[in-house]
Amino acid sequence: SQTIHQWPATLVQPVGSPLSLECTVEGTSNPNLYWYRQAAGRGLQLLFYSVGIGQISSEVPQNLSASRPQDRQFILSSKKLLLSDSGFYLCAWRKAGGRYEQYFGPGTRLTVT
Amino acid sequence: AQSVAQPEDQVKVAEGNPLTVKCTYSVSGNPYLFWYVQYPNRGLQFLLKYITGDNLVKGSYGFEAEFNKSQTSFHLKKPSALVSDSALYFCAVRDGPIYNQGGKLIFGQGTELSVKP
Repeated sequence: SQTIHQWPATLVQPVGSPLSLECTVEGTSNPNLYWYRQAAGRGLQLLFYSVGIGQISSEVPQNLSASRPQDRQFILSSKKLLLSDSGFYLCAWRKAGGRYEQYFGPGTRLTVT
Repeated sequence: AQSVAQPEDQVKVAEGNPLTVKCTYSVSGNPYLFWYVQYPNRGLQFLLKYITGDNLVKGSYGFEAEFNKSQTSFHLKKPSALVSDSALYFCAVRDGPIYNQGGKLIFGQGTELSVKP
């Protein structure tokens, strides 16, 4: 069966510090991968998605970036965090193809102080 | 453009009563529709999907959803609510045509379900 991991689970960082969040998927190959942010409230904002190694599509211009160095690894980064980067970050994967649902990881709670 | 709407921010029901969480959509072409549930400080869990076939779709934890093409709706239902069903529920629709290999989803704003004992 497939499993998705995210770490860390929680993170408190000062403004201006760098960020690295990691997501890995087990039990599948060549998945589509996604990074979402859920701000206070409830809406989900798609930040990045990837259909393959080194292939990153950005949905929202901001000070975040994403990378996919390996088939089942997806990293979200920032060089300098802003207060507005606080939120709940969710990674998701999907089997490549037309009809499949996305499966979400447990999330990382980021607080920028 | 594809879109999905959840008209109710909050739904309250008594335990044992039937529940309905509403979702309407707007798509070009055939809709691919999904329901997810989120418990506090957790990731979203997939409940069910409609791709094609029967209009009544059965999913996890006793939930089902009814696809209504004429009303462009995909309401989530459960015959008898449990206190443990209290959570945030999201409806989603696939963004774009099937050949869009990105498989992006558009999510509604969520509906908070509260089931009282």
